[in-house]
This record gives sequence, structure tokens and C-alpha cells, in this order.
Amino acid sequence: GESVGLHLPTLSVQEGDNSIINCAYSNSASDYFIWYKQESGKGPQFIIDIRSNMDKRQGQRVTVLLNKTVKHLSLQIAATQPGDSAVYFCAGWGQAGTALIFGKGTTLSVSS
Amino acid sequence: DTEVTQTPKHLVMGMTNKKSLKCEQHMGHRAMYWYKQKAKKPPELMFVYSYEKLSINESVPSRFSPECPNSSLLNLHLHALQPEDSALYLCASSQGGAGAQNEQFFGPGTRLTVL
Repeated sequence: GESVGLHLPTLSVQEGDNSIINCAYSNSASDYFIWYKQESGKGPQFIIDIRSNMDKRQGQRVTVLLNKTVKHLSLQIAATQPGDSAVYFCAGWGQAGTALIFGKGTTLSVSS
Repeated sequence: DTEVTQTPKHLVMGMTNKKSLKCEQHMGHRAMYWYKQKAKKPPELMFVYSYEKLSINESVPSRFSPECPNSSLLNLHLHALQPEDSALYLCASSQGGAGAQNEQFFGPGTRLTVL
């Protein structure tokens, strides 16, 4: 069936470290993925996306890696800052193409 | 304008009240969505409108009634809600219709409390 999930509910890092947040998906949710950041009291904010014909995409301080062989994607945040503290969701479009399926979320805490 | 706006920000209502949540976007997006989000959980899809027609209803109780008056506006009418309906209600929109796999832009949400 369709599912998108994350490995760890929480991640704590020091300011300046690199952060890696992981997500696994099942076979049918495999066409297009988005990472969202959600701060307390706000709506999800788009960070970066990747389509299944790519295995890596870079943005400003963020990189998304897609490994279709093991059905895994990750979000890497370079030089993590306190302002990066938030809940991060991966979301995938199922092959039915009808709606986004959200993973459970990882809470990133950055201490200075 | 690259925003999705939602009003009100906060809403407290009794179980016998009727209220409406509003969502607006001026990005020319033709797909609009309502999500419900409980604390520490991911957003759960409720409804999808594509080209102003309801295309997905995720088995949502009839006490929630969506409406899309035009391509920029999306409403969610609430009636006879239960305390367990208290949540953050998020609106989102995306380019093209609901079948086009594009980024969804989210609004800030309406924090609903049902007493």
C-alpha cells in the first residue's frame, strides 16, 4: 500500500553540526517527494522537493537524497542553526497521483 | 502574491454552533485542499477541490462541509462539531489540478477549539 514514514521521531544536534533526517516509503508512493518544515503554530513550509528521475537535489544549506533501490530519502541540513528547530515532514505523491501522503514527522532540536 | 491566507487564526465554538473557516489564494492554483492536524501528528487530508469541483472526500463526517465559491476561495463550514474535532485546520493549494504532482503551498492554519 501507500505509506511514507520517518525513522526517528526526534533529533537533537548542536549548532553548526550537519543534520540528517530520514524517511522510508513503500512501493507505490514513489513519484515525487517534498520535505516540509513546520514551526510551532504555523503551517508546513516547503523546503525542497525531488522527483523520482533524480537521486539528489540541492538547495540553500539543504540537500535531498533519494535512493530508489531501498526506497529511502533523506534531508541533509548543513551547519544547522537554532532557527532550523522545527518538525520536519517528508511527503510523497502516490502513483495514483491523487494526494500527498505525509510521514509522521521528526522534531529537530538545535542547541547553541 | 505567493501566499495562502486563512481566517480566522483562532476559533472557539460550542457543539451547537455553526461557523466557517475561510481560505484564499491568488496564485492561480486550481487545486485546493483542507487538512486536519492534531498535535504532534502529520496533516491528514480531508478534501480536495480540483478546478472548483470536489474531487476527493476522505470519508469526512458530514458536520464538515466544504465549499469552493471560485478558483481563489475555499470554505469549510462547521456544524454540530465534537470536542475531538479540535485541531489545526490547514488549507493548501497547488498549481494545476489535483492530479498534477506539484508543490502544495500551505496557509498558517486555523486553530479550532470545540467546547
